[in-house]
Amino acid sequence: GIQVEQSPPDLILQEGANSTLRCNFSDSVNNLQWFHQNPWGQLINLFYIPSGTKQNGRLSATTVATERYSLLYISSSQTTDSGVYFCAVWETSGSRLTFGEGTQLTVNP
Amino acid sequence: ETGVTQSPTHLIKTRGQQVTLRCSSQSGHNTVSWYQQALGQGPQFIFQYYREEENGRGNFPPRFSGLQFPNYSSELNVNALELDDSALYLCASSLGHHPGGADTQYFGPGTRLTVL
Repeated sequence: GIQVEQSPPDLILQEGANSTLRCNFSDSVNNLQWFHQNPWGQLINLFYIPSGTKQNGRLSATTVATERYSLLYISSSQTTDSGVYFCAVWETSGSRLTFGEGTQLTVNP
Repeated sequence: ETGVTQSPTHLIKTRGQQVTLRCSSQSGHNTVSWYQQALGQGPQFIFQYYREEENGRGNFPPRFSGLQFPNYSSELNVNALELDDSALYLCASSLGHHPGGADTQYFGPGTRLTVL
């Protein structure tokens, strides 16, 4: 099956800093989603982005499908951005999302 | 909020028991998928239901089974519980234009199962 690798595994920032999270995948995909998991376990949709670039406030994402990677940018980070960020992909021959192991982000005041 | 609801929120069971978890999909969605998330890991796909039929299954034993009802709500049943079944169980619904379609997945808040 498809492999999904996220980096870095852990990231600690000061409030106001910018960051880039990376997701590499091993095969062609029909769908790529970025999620933020809050401390209570809820997976919050950030982006549906199988290709191209999208922006939503302080967050933006870029997927380069031909090179099999996606980037999530967080600008002017806030303490409420803390949590685990997951990348998940839907391979072209599949019927499910395959998740990476996540990036644990901690934003300190 | 996604409109996907799950019950119960928390559950404690003992080894060997059986458990049923429930999920109500977002209005208009006909596809429900279930995932298991162990502590510190990413969610793992259990199975998917599309219009009441199982449409894909992950690497889980047969004691994990499910149902989807005509209103597209769903149940996950786990028999003969083991300690390793302790996890957060998440369901996701999607519009499902066709079986296996890569539509946006919307997740519920999860059920946290503890097996003692």
